[in-house]
Amino acid sequence: QVQLQESGPGLVKPSQTLSLTCTVSGGSTISDNYYWSWVRQPPGKGLEWIGYIYYTGSTYYNPSLRSRIIISLDTSKTQFSLNLSSVTAADTAVYYCTKGTTTIPFDLWGHGTLVTVSS
Amino acid sequence: DIQMTQSPSSLSASVGDRVTITCRASQSISSYLNWYQQKPGKAPKVLIYTASRLQSGVSPRFIGSGSGTDFTLTIIGLQPEDFATYYCQQSYITPWTFGQGTTVEI
Repeated sequence: QVQLQESGPGLVKPSQTLSLTCTVSGGSTISDNYYWSWVRQPPGKGLEWIGYIYYTGSTYYNPSLRSRIIISLDTSKTQFSLNLSSVTAADTAVYYCTKGTTTIPFDLWGHGTLVTVSS
Repeated sequence: DIQMTQSPSSLSASVGDRVTITCRASQSISSYLNWYQQKPGKAPKVLIYTASRLQSGVSPRFIGSGSGTDFTLTIIGLQPEDFATYYCQQSYITPWTFGQGTTVEI
């Protein structure tokens, strides 16, 4: 069955760029007709959708973060990635990668990875 | 952006209870409303999609209803494994947005 796994540094310094990768395995490929998204959750708080990349490579970013986000696709590695620049402590959160459709944008989730922004 | 407002923010219940959570959208979203369950330290999982359709493998004690701006998630016969936080989410238009969550406590 399809699985998603986030990876990347758990600690990032303020003003630097947060970079995470999601590896897709188990029967689905990054080229399948899905939306591949990132969602984050600050400790003790609710869920915030960051943005998606469609299998075609087209992207949509949450306007609240748009100026700082790049989401990219690596079909050869069945991975997609998140780069979030100029981070502050407010970007400390558990970051989830997800797979979905327009009807259920988040029908499968990775386990999540905690990223702390601190000097 | 469409704002999603859930009520209550938290509730206390007992095993066997019937529980209802409400979600209101700031504008009509037709039936493009999904419900997720999240347990501590775990990723959310989808329970209900398009307002009332049960995701495969989810217990039928979870019932979703509503359309337009007002939606409800009802849990009939609350079980110990149902104590969790529940989020509504609209997929009517991007940016996709979540409610703030409702925690169901013992």
